[in-house]
Amino acid sequence: GAVVSQHPSWVICKSGTSVKIECRSLDFQATTMFWYRQFPKQSLMLMATSNEGSKATYEQGVEKDKFLINHASLTLSTLTVTSAHPEDSSFYICSASWDDYRYEQYFGPGTRLTVT
Amino acid sequence: QKEVEQDPGPLSVPEGAIVSLNCTYSNSAFQYFMWYRQYSRKGPELLMYTYSSGNKEDGRFTAQVDKSSKYISLFIRDSQPSDSATYLCALLAGGQGGKLIFGQGTELSVKP
Repeated sequence: GAVVSQHPSWVICKSGTSVKIECRSLDFQATTMFWYRQFPKQSLMLMATSNEGSKATYEQGVEKDKFLINHASLTLSTLTVTSAHPEDSSFYICSASWDDYRYEQYFGPGTRLTVT
Repeated sequence: QKEVEQDPGPLSVPEGAIVSLNCTYSNSAFQYFMWYRQYSRKGPELLMYTYSSGNKEDGRFTAQVDKSSKYISLFIRDSQPSDSATYLCALLAGGQGGKLIFGQGTELSVKP
């Protein structure tokens, strides 16, 4: 149980274009979903937290107009990187928890974004 | 000072060895302590979590929390090559409304 999927697993896009990443909880209803970013050999950094039907809460320093998050249902959250630039290239990982039990987050497999 | 410190390694051990992985932290408000395993180019997998101080065992894995020393450990007994991965500690303060703070991760390699 507690499976989270992400799509796509790898995407290459040109600078200036937008990319959408989907995060789905497959076998449970995710009250809360989280989006993280991870650079090589570095730890995960929380970008934003979203609850179904509510606006996402962004961490300090994360541009909300650049990283658009939509938590449309209890099983789906999307992250759209708008006007992507090479410095946005990174590993993006989502996680999900039920009943907002943040100590029990289940992570997706991640999406590797490369902006050329 | 970082909130969570974790030696990035790499740590290399022979198969069958007991592995000890550790994190130290500075904020006494942390209440939940998690260990995640992350294989290369994959998302982290929750191994176990502990609330407050004490030990927790799950198969070959034992997690220890010493809040007085602000020190947490993960022990792996009878290590296997399949245990080769990066292990991240993660701490949570503020109860259900808080956010996970991750350590840098320790890269472990178990040699057959």
